[in-house]
Amino acid sequence: GESVGLHLPTLSVQEGDNSIINCAYSNSASDYFIWYKQESGKGPQFIIDIRSNMDKRQGQRVTVLLNKTVKHLSLQIAATQPGDSAVYFCAERAYNQGGKLIFGQGTELSVKP
Amino acid sequence: NAGVTQTPKFQVLKTGQSMTLQCAQDMNHEYMSWYRQDPGMGLRLIHYSVGAGITDQGEVPNGYNVSRSTTEDFPLRLLSAAPSQTSVYFCASSREGGEKLFFGSGTQLSVL
Repeated sequence: GESVGLHLPTLSVQEGDNSIINCAYSNSASDYFIWYKQESGKGPQFIIDIRSNMDKRQGQRVTVLLNKTVKHLSLQIAATQPGDSAVYFCAERAYNQGGKLIFGQGTELSVKP
Repeated sequence: NAGVTQTPKFQVLKTGQSMTLQCAQDMNHEYMSWYRQDPGMGLRLIHYSVGAGITDQGEVPNGYNVSRSTTEDFPLRLLSAAPSQTSVYFCASSREGGEKLFFGSGTQLSVL
């Protein structure tokens, strides 16, 4: 079956470095993608989203890149801070699966001071 | 706005007990949903609702019931708790299905 997955389950970076979290998807019918951040003991928090008619979108210190050719999504965090330590989830919406959001397993980002 | 509010934050049940997890949102969202989160399993959809009076099953609905009598509230009922239902439960809402979800802070449930 088609699913959303993450390349790296854990990522450790030095404070101040840039972080890149990757996500692969296999459903060519997916037209909308979202990144969530989940801190320990809290619910997932929306970070940024992108529609399939775009290949890049920027927010505050975050950039999402979408490569539809290879079905790959990435989240870039600039100047990573200790407060960025969390689990990051990607989610996709596929219109041929009832339009529901399907979540990946998550990548844990650890920021070393 | 408070967003999505879940109660309780923690709950311990004995096998066979029943309980209701409460969820309320004040954003006038039509779509509401319940997920469970288990280690290594990600977020799995239990039930969802596209509007008041309408509910449907998600990926893992067995052992759970829902109702949507108002736009604001979407309670999740465990009919007869089992240890396999030990998990963290999240309620989420969005303006409509397939749009970005806003999550509550979760309920950590242990069934002994």
